[in-house]
Amino acid sequence: AQSVTQPDIHITVSEGASLELRCNYSYGATPYLFWYVQSPGQGLQLLLKYFSGDTLVQGIKGFEAEFKRSQSSFNLRKPSVHWSDAAEYFCAVGAWSGNTGKLIFGQGTTLQVKP
Amino acid sequence: KAGVTQTPRYLIKTRGQQVTLSCSPISGHRSVSWYQQTPGQGLQFLFEYFSETQRNKGNFPGRFSGRQFSNSRSEMNVSTLELGDSALYLCASSSAGTDQETQYFGPGTRLLVL
Repeated sequence: AQSVTQPDIHITVSEGASLELRCNYSYGATPYLFWYVQSPGQGLQLLLKYFSGDTLVQGIKGFEAEFKRSQSSFNLRKPSVHWSDAAEYFCAVGAWSGNTGKLIFGQGTTLQVKP
Repeated sequence: KAGVTQTPRYLIKTRGQQVTLSCSPISGHRSVSWYQQTPGQGLQFLFEYFSETQRNKGNFPGRFSGRQFSNSRSEMNVSTLELGDSALYLCASSSAGTDQETQYFGPGTRLLVL
């Protein structure tokens, strides 16, 4: 079955510290992978996506993610966290069959940033 | 371009009532998907519409239905509301709903069922 696992429900980092949010997926075919961010009371904003090619993808707000097929992972990283990065982060895999599909989301990781 | 808009943003209903939520996709986008977000179940796919046809449906009871109009605007309806239907309902649009497209999400409609 297709699934996404985000092992860390809640992470706290100090402002200026580096960040890595973990994401593992289970998907039979070539995965299309996404990271979205959700601020309180808001919808989802796309940070970055991986479809093919270079396994290190750059996104908005200084985020990057690395696709590792052998580990079925797509971890999100940022070298230096800002207080405004505090939000909930969702990893998703695109599950398509024929001409339609859907996103399968992980349970999310809440990021708290300490001053 | 304007983003995905959803109305209303907040809604309070009582058990047994029905509710209709609206989503206007980004101009030119013809695929609209709906997701339900709850603390317990997370983000779950409800259904996807393209050119006024439902192409995909998630594992939700028949009380959840939707439709899409010729201008790509979409509505979802929940009948006989239950307490467990309290959630944030998110709408997402993409150009054609194909696998290599990005889905753009609206701000959501927060539904509270009392």
